[in-house]
Amino acid sequence: NAGVTQTPKFRILKIGQSMTLQCAQDMNHNYMYWYRQDPGMGLKLIYYSVGAGITDKGEVPNGYNVSRSTTEDFPLRLELAAPSQTSVYFCASSYGLAADTQYFGPGTRLTVL
Amino acid sequence: AQTVTQSQPEMSVQEAETVTLSCTYDTSESDYYLFWYKQPPSRQMILVIRQEAYKQQNATENRFSVNFQKAAKSFSLKISDSQLGDAAMYFCAYRRGNNDMRFGAGTRLTVKP
Repeated sequence: NAGVTQTPKFRILKIGQSMTLQCAQDMNHNYMYWYRQDPGMGLKLIYYSVGAGITDKGEVPNGYNVSRSTTEDFPLRLELAAPSQTSVYFCASSYGLAADTQYFGPGTRLTVL
Repeated sequence: AQTVTQSQPEMSVQEAETVTLSCTYDTSESDYYLFWYKQPPSRQMILVIRQEAYKQQNATENRFSVNFQKAAKSFSLKISDSQLGDAAMYFCAYRRGNNDMRFGAGTRLTVKP
């Protein structure tokens, strides 16, 4: 049982490049989330999904896209990377209820130069 | 919009002593959930404790307990018998429904031997 896994751990992008951050969970959780954490700040929700085929915007969705074709995977796509997207990205999952614990992945540190 | 405020950017405690981390939040809702997450240098987000707003009894998890004051919209975390392994960033978070999780900016806790 690996929990929530994220790849890559680190990445440097040039302005205008695109990339996909991968996230997978093996706990059969319905809900999955993408957060970003800027230096010295708390996490902010980018997108979330309540099940395969269903996604919705969070607090800071601009510049990102997501898809959820399976229960296990929830990739985050960055199009036309900008320096403002330099951050640490966390994927999380939960069974579904509001009180449920969110299980977090180890994070991806992304730098856009 | 709901906001979460942690007014103490840094706190320090002597090993075996007790420390309290503060958190206030702003909401017009009556039904919600509050969480404290710990983020050690590994960056992994770990749930410490959670509180349902409809419960008057303060949540407790071993050495961790909360003081939940609903009317004052205050949710402080008390760590008793502090250990070196408690050193980390601590984030207070608010959640309403099954999607919208809001985090505070965090408090960095240092434990002195």
